Amino acid sequence: GAGVSQSPRYKVAKRGQDVALRCDPISGHVSLFWYQQALGQGPEFLTYFQNEAQLDKSGLPSDRFFAERPEGSVSTLKIQRTQQEDSAVYLCASSLGAAGQVSYEQYFGPGTRLTVT
Amino acid sequence: GQNIDQPTEMTATEGAIVQINCTYQTSGFNGLFWYQQHAGEAPTFLSYNVLDGLEEKGRFSSFLSRSKGYSYLLLKELQMKDSASYLCAVMDSNYQLIWGAGTKLIIKP
Repeated sequence: GAGVSQSPRYKVAKRGQDVALRCDPISGHVSLFWYQQALGQGPEFLTYFQNEAQLDKSGLPSDRFFAERPEGSVSTLKIQRTQQEDSAVYLCASSLGAAGQVSYEQYFGPGTRLTVT
Repeated sequence: GQNIDQPTEMTATEGAIVQINCTYQTSGFNGLFWYQQHAGEAPTFLSYNVLDGLEEKGRFSSFLSRSKGYSYLLLKELQMKDSASYLCAVMDSNYQLIWGAGTKLIIKP
């Protein structure tokens, strides 16, 4: 498909479990972002990749959160020892250009709804 | 700190016009975006303003005043499918998007 895809769409985890969320960006897109969105709120920035380089991880809430994009395409967001406060929708977005370039529109995937019980 | 303010909820009538306001205070400014998000779906891009003035795109227009830290999204000829949340986001000096909480727009027949 032509859009950003994410899997799984829904994930239920027991507190303490590790989870891995996958993002397939639009082919050729340089930039990839992860956001966390709580119900009724706007997305909150987690981390940013330019190709395979993680240039900004200032939004990751704790060292339990880890993201990678080893070949500059698919990205995985991993959450270790999940807590109830991690319950949210995790959105992935990709953009054709790099930071600072014109036409910096971000294309979003459908998100993964994580529920920690 | 960085702050984006927009109304929580607005109601309008099908066929009418509605204006959704957004005010911002950010460290640096590299443009303002409006996104539409239907419940349970991903945000989709509506508009981008980096210079002062009005950008028109079909039934939707977006206005920016950088000196006032203010933008609005204008939706004309409202349709029921326009019922959604509208998110204002500002790109700061680090090219990071700072998002508002969104305005839930309810369209009534």
